[in-house]
Amino acid sequence: NAGVTQTPKFRILKIGQSMTLQCTQDMNHNYMYWYRQDPGMGLKLIYYSVGAGITDKGEVPNGYNVSRSTTEDFPLRLELAAPSQTSVYFCASSYADRGSGYTFGSGTRLTVV
Amino acid sequence: AQKVTQAQTEISVVEKEDVTLDCVYETRDTTYYLFWYKQPPSGELVFLIRRNSFDEQNEISGRYSWNFQKSTSSFNFTITASQVVDSAVYFCALSDLLQTGANNLFFGTGTRLTVIP
Repeated sequence: NAGVTQTPKFRILKIGQSMTLQCTQDMNHNYMYWYRQDPGMGLKLIYYSVGAGITDKGEVPNGYNVSRSTTEDFPLRLELAAPSQTSVYFCASSYADRGSGYTFGSGTRLTVV
Repeated sequence: AQKVTQAQTEISVVEKEDVTLDCVYETRDTTYYLFWYKQPPSGELVFLIRRNSFDEQNEISGRYSWNFQKSTSSFNFTITASQVVDSAVYFCALSDLLQTGANNLFFGTGTRLTVIP
C-alpha cells in the first residue's frame, strides 16, 4: 500500500531549466493537489484536480502547469525555473468529501540556483 | 477570508511535561472542517485529527487531546506527558471549499515543538 508517491525527493535546477515533479497515488482518490512549503511557512495550494482531465488553479499557480490524464497521476511542471520556486513541494490526494483528510506524499525539495 | 493563526512559533518542553499548541481560525463558512497535521524532522506530513464545525466535543487519543471551541474560534491541541518522539512541527489547517467542490486545506504557519530529554 504505497499511498502517494513523489519523485524525485531532491533536485537542484539552474535558473531557466525545466522539470516535472511526478506524483502517483494508488488509493483511487478523485482529488489531487500540489502544495508548496516555503521555509517557516505553512503550505500553499498551487494547483488541484477533481478528476482525470479536470484541473484548476490554486493560490499560487504562476510558473507552474499541471495535467491529469489518469486518476493515479498528477505531474507538476516547472517551465522556466526561478529562484523564487525554491521550496518543498507536496502532492496530496483525498476522497471527494470535504471532511476527508489528505494523504500527503513525502515531498520534493527543490533548489533553483 | 479564511485564516489560521498559530501564534506560537516555537515551544520547548522537558520530557514528560504537558504542552498545548494553540490554533485560532477565521472563516466565512458555517460548515467547515479543522485538521491537525504533524511534520517530523523527516519531512512528511502525518494526519492527526479532523473535526467538523458541528461537533464541539473534545477528543482524546492516547496522550493527544483536542479542544474545539466555536465561541472563541479555537482548536487547541494538547500533548500529555510529552516524549522526544513528539518533537516536530505541528500544523493546524482549515478546510476551504473551492468552486469545483474540491477542498483546499488552508494551513497555519506551524508550531515547532522540541521535547528535551
